[in-house]
Amino acid sequence: DGGITQSPKYLFRKEGQNVTLSCEQNLNHDAMYWYRQDPGQGLRLIYYSQIVNDFQKGDIAEGYSVSREKKESFPLTVTSAQKNPTAFYLCASESRDNYGYTFGSGTRLTVV
Amino acid sequence: SQQGEEDPQALSIQEGENATMNCSYKTSINNLQWYRQNSGRGLVHLILIRSNEREKHSGRLRVTLDTSKKSSSLLITASRAADTASYFCATAYSGGYQKVTFGTGTKLQVIP
Repeated sequence: DGGITQSPKYLFRKEGQNVTLSCEQNLNHDAMYWYRQDPGQGLRLIYYSQIVNDFQKGDIAEGYSVSREKKESFPLTVTSAQKNPTAFYLCASESRDNYGYTFGSGTRLTVV
Repeated sequence: SQQGEEDPQALSIQEGENATMNCSYKTSINNLQWYRQNSGRGLVHLILIRSNEREKHSGRLRVTLDTSKKSSSLLITASRAADTASYFCATAYSGGYQKVTFGTGTKLQVIP
């Protein structure tokens, strides 16, 4: 079955640590996105990529970094520069036909 | 940045009743999408309506779009307990890539 896999489901980070969230898709989609969701709120765009080896900052990119070395993979690194990283992180992908996003099941990141 | 706003923020109905959620947005769009999110899960794409369409149906879902009022509505008919979730509208800008902006959602509770 085609879909998006995010891992891990839960992640705990100590102060000052960098952590990387994985996002893999086998849908052959060109575009991939990372969103952050805080409790009771909508989704805010962190980074997006329309093609391999290219990505663009979204609305809240500070403290985050990404790479797109393969079409299937779009990992997100939450750096120590992100002062409030505790949130639910969602990865999504989309085909060029623009029929809507397919989302992964999310990673819940908590700073301890 | 442009953002859809859903109304109401929360809605509680009895099983079998219809549920209506509204979304308003600010600037021209290419299309508008509705998503469902069960608690702690990723979003699921429900329906996409393009700016030149006025109404779309999918099963028990009916979506309308009024571009002159910059608003959309999602109607769920004959609701079931399994429809309990948060519902988000997402607007895709006209021009540019399919980078959508999400509203803050309507939390629907369907009471058995």
